[in-house]
Amino acid sequence: AQSVAQPEDQVNVAEGNPLTVKCTYSVSGNPYLFWYVQYPNRGLQFLLKYITGDNLVKGSYGFEAEFNKSQTSFHLKKPSALVSDSALYFCAVRANTGTASKLTFGTGTRLQVTL
Amino acid sequence: NAGVTQTPKFRILKIGQSMTLQCTQDMNHNYMYWYRQDPGMGLKLIYYSVGAGITDKGEVPNGYNVSRSTTEDFPLRLELAAPSQTSVYFCASTSGAGTGGTDTQYFGPGTRLTVL
Repeated sequence: AQSVAQPEDQVNVAEGNPLTVKCTYSVSGNPYLFWYVQYPNRGLQFLLKYITGDNLVKGSYGFEAEFNKSQTSFHLKKPSALVSDSALYFCAVRANTGTASKLTFGTGTRLQVTL
Repeated sequence: NAGVTQTPKFRILKIGQSMTLQCTQDMNHNYMYWYRQDPGMGLKLIYYSVGAGITDKGEVPNGYNVSRSTTEDFPLRLELAAPSQTSVYFCASTSGAGTGGTDTQYFGPGTRLTVL
């Protein structure tokens, strides 16, 4: 079975400071990892994914994530936070085997960026 | 190209009533999914489909039914609504077959359902 843990319900950061949203995963075989963002009363929007290759993945809106196989982590980062980054962030994992491309999501981390 | 669309946006049901949540995608995706989102619980998979005529249960299928008669449409049916089904429902789709699982799921805007 595959699982995702997002250990922080909320992350608070001041605008202009770097941000990190943590994610660890468990999956059989090699993982495919995803980050999504959800703004209030909206659906999930895809930010970035790791499939293979370079451990540092760059995505939308200046976000990036670092895959660490030994620590089974895929933390989301941004060098300089914006107030408009405030939203709910979900990490998701899928095994690279099996069918149906099913994702398992974490419980989400609320990012609050203040002036 | 509208992506994934869902109707209605909001609905209030009484206990025991039935309804169908509609989901349509115009990306010619093979795979479609229904999730429910409860506060602090993330997204749970209800049902999924890998193509027209093929559906399968996800993690929390009880109280729901689905059908997939076309590639574009994947409706979710609630037969006897219960307060425990109060949630936000999201439909998603992805190209699926032939991608080895590397494809991205794209989500609709959601349906907020309240059962009283």
